[in-house]
Amino acid sequence: DIVMTQTPLSLSVTPGQPASISCKSSQSLLNSNGKTCLHWYLQKPGQSPQLLIFEVSNRFSGVPDRFSGSGSGTDFTLKISRVEAEDVGVYYCMQSIQLPPITFGQGTRLEIK
Amino acid sequence: QVKLVESGGGVVQPGRSLRLSCAASGFTVSSYSMHWVRQAPDKGLEWVAAISYDGRNKYYIDSVQGRFTVSRDNSKNTLYLQMNSLRAEDTALYYCAREYEEIDYWGQGTRVTVSS
Repeated sequence: DIVMTQTPLSLSVTPGQPASISCKSSQSLLNSNGKTCLHWYLQKPGQSPQLLIFEVSNRFSGVPDRFSGSGSGTDFTLKISRVEAEDVGVYYCMQSIQLPPITFGQGTRLEIK
Repeated sequence: QVKLVESGGGVVQPGRSLRLSCAASGFTVSSYSMHWVRQAPDKGLEWVAAISYDGRNKYYIDSVQGRFTVSRDNSKNTLYLQMNSLRAEDTALYYCAREYEEIDYWGQGTRVTVSS
């Protein structure tokens, strides 16, 4: 199974300040079609997960441009340029290059200072 | 508008069975791969099972292989998860989710509690 490791596991950020979350995979997530199967989700308190970023750096419909993703191979980063109160929740990276199983990172909890 | 509504959760004794349903609207389940993902209390996300868009392939996490079965009824536009021989460690909120080229939409989940 591909192991996804996120750091940090928790983050406390002042509104307006940037935030960054790292995700490392135990194997390359680059598939034979040239796509990298790494995605980011946000689970807001009391809600189901919602897709933020797909294939490393593509924002999903309706996702604000303060969210950006980068990386390649096995190392990936989610950045929030200016954190807002509505960004609180748990962020997960997920790999879908290998099925089964699809695997998630442990989650990174973002809180507002 | 894509919508997924899970149902069928509840409290069940160890060893018993439950069938979860996921009613889809705004799209046709037969055109997409579909997934079940669970979240144990205060834990992270764990992928459980998937069915390919054409229904030919089904995939399971090792811990449920042989106990859970994923299926769908195209006429009802509904996804199912038949869960047999339930264990305490299956206690979780179960989400169904749609895959486009990635998992893009999730339902609100249905809670399963396995307890004597």
